Amino acid sequence: DGGITQSPKYLFRKEGQNVTLSCEQNLNHDAMYWYRQDPGQGLRLIYYSQIVNDFQKGDIAEGYSVSREKKESFPLTVTSAQKNPTAFYLCASSPTRTGELFFGEGSRLTVL
Amino acid sequence: AQSVTQLGSHVSVSEGALVLLRCNYSSSVPPYLFWYVQYPNQGLQLLLKYTSAATLVKGINGLEAEFKKSETSFHLTKPSAHMSDAAEYFCAVSDKGFQKLVFGTGTRLLVSP
Repeated sequence: DGGITQSPKYLFRKEGQNVTLSCEQNLNHDAMYWYRQDPGQGLRLIYYSQIVNDFQKGDIAEGYSVSREKKESFPLTVTSAQKNPTAFYLCASSPTRTGELFFGEGSRLTVL
Repeated sequence: AQSVTQLGSHVSVSEGALVLLRCNYSSSVPPYLFWYVQYPNQGLQLLLKYTSAATLVKGINGLEAEFKKSETSFHLTKPSAHMSDAAEYFCAVSDKGFQKLVFGTGTRLLVSP
């Protein structure tokens, strides 16, 4: 079945460590997105990519990095520079210029 | 900059009662508006969207939302709540380019028997 796969579902990390969250889609969508979700704050956009080898910062990009080397993949690295990384991270993809986002099931990152 | 405001972080209704979830938008250009639903520990799913065609948009399971430019609103309604409607609902806005969606803070719907 077509969809978006995020891994791992749960991740624990020590302070000062970088961690990479995986996002893979087989929907043949051009656009991909990373959002961060915190209780009471809704979804905040971290990075997005409209095409392979190109991506743009969202509203809260500091402390995060991404790459888009393949159409199917958009991994997110949470670096040690991110001061408050504990959150639920959601990846999404979208057919170009429709506004309809297809979400993965999320990755919950906890910093110990 | 575009934004949406969802009034009420929690809404409680009884099973069978009317559901009304409020969303007001701010946009300097004609907006495109969306409602998404999220069940616990899952991603979001699109319920319906307004893209400047009909102002009354119908979704699945009796859901509707009406675009009212004079009130800058896009409220979500359902005539009769069901226990399975309990979830968190998010309103979102985009511009015509659809490059990115801006989400509201969400409203958690609680349905009691």
